[in-house]
Amino acid sequence: AQTVTQSQPEMSVQEAETVTLSCTYDTSESDYYLFWYKQPPSRQMILVIRQEAYKQQNATENRFSVNFQKAAKSFSLKISDSQLGDAAMYFCAYRGPGGSNYKLTFGKGTLLTVNP
Amino acid sequence: DAGITQSPRHKVTETGTPVTLRCHQTENHRYMYWYRQDPGHGLRLIHYSYGVKDTDKGEVSDGYSVSRSKTEDFLLTLESATSSQTSVYFCAISPGAVNTEAFFGQGTRLTVV
Repeated sequence: AQTVTQSQPEMSVQEAETVTLSCTYDTSESDYYLFWYKQPPSRQMILVIRQEAYKQQNATENRFSVNFQKAAKSFSLKISDSQLGDAAMYFCAYRGPGGSNYKLTFGKGTLLTVNP
Repeated sequence: DAGITQSPRHKVTETGTPVTLRCHQTENHRYMYWYRQDPGHGLRLIHYSYGVKDTDKGEVSDGYSVSRSKTEDFLLTLESATSSQTSVYFCAISPGAVNTEAFFGQGTRLTVV
């Protein structure tokens, strides 16, 4: 069974600084998809960034980027120039390649605090 | 915003009572998921569906059943609610195409007293 581990229950960062959130996963599949979701206090789940396992290039979305290490099964999220609006719970998620193996599995989350 | 609606949004029920939560989508997406969110546990998958009448268990399926008789609706039933099932429940949908994310409903807060 696929598992997703986020080893940092809480993180804090100063406004305008950079922070990295860690995520590791376990799978026997060679093709899969990884995601980072953000959940602010409104409880809405918002996609931050996605990565396909077959792509070696790390995904980037504005101030958000990932460090995808397939062999190590690691998928960390880097937030640059942190803003107060980045404060939220962040979830790492894994999804299988398709068909019946399309479970979307989440880690336990990392609560990010941004200090002014 | 993806067309996904959860109902009810809030519910208080008594122990031992059956409860059904509904997830309705207007996107014609193939995949639908039910999660529960509890402090310290993140989102845990209860059941998911990969097509009409095709469902599979997640990691916390005990005490829950699901049904999907048509593409747009995915029902989650607590046969006999217990206090341990007090939680926030999220439905999610995904088209299943390459490189597509899941879209989430707004959640249902269920309290079992």
